[in-house]
Amino acid sequence: EPEVTQTPSHQVTQMGQEVILRCVPISNHLYFYWYRQILGQKVEFLVSFYNNEISEKSEIFDDQFSVERPDGSNFTLKIRSTKLEDSAMYFCASSEARGTGELFFGEGSRLTVL
Amino acid sequence: AQSVTQLDSQVPVFEEAPVELRCNYSSSVSVYLFWYVQYPNQGLQLLLKYLSGSTLVKGINGFEAEFNKSQTSFHLRKPSVHISDTAEYFCAVTAVYNQGGKLIFGQGTELSVKP
Repeated sequence: EPEVTQTPSHQVTQMGQEVILRCVPISNHLYFYWYRQILGQKVEFLVSFYNNEISEKSEIFDDQFSVERPDGSNFTLKIRSTKLEDSAMYFCASSEARGTGELFFGEGSRLTVL
Repeated sequence: AQSVTQLDSQVPVFEEAPVELRCNYSSSVSVYLFWYVQYPNQGLQLLLKYLSGSTLVKGINGFEAEFNKSQTSFHLRKPSVHISDTAEYFCAVTAVYNQGGKLIFGQGTELSVKP
């Protein structure tokens, strides 16, 4: 069964460092998403991406964040200068269709900022 | 804007007992509704979704949910739970015609099934 894969599963970084989280969405999917879940809190929407551009982003997704689909298979989330409050589980998701389509989620990348 | 409230953060239940996980939503526009499950150390998996039509929707693993527009609720039910149903359950909503297709999630309900 096709699945969304994410790497790394866990990353520890120092405050101020750049981090790139990688995702390989399901191959025929067109819509891509990043969500995050701070420990003990809700799963929060960060950004959606379609046709090589951002469709929608949340207030959380400020200038420190960026997304890219560099090679037609990977979908990356970059945090330029990490803060302590960026520590969270980051989930990548993809779907064939917008809105009514099922989002398929990866297993997540746990980011710990020290 | 939409919001989702899951009224119970933890629900302990004995094996083979029925369970209901409650979800209420708020929206000024029409919405689609979803329930996702997260097993330990795994990603979120879709259990079921309501898009239109019959208000009672059936999903995987014997779960079902009922959309109640007047009460703005979408409660999840299972008549008899198994130990393997122990997981975190998330209710989610998206506005119909939402440009980005984003989901708004509730806080999650931890279902703990005991023998």
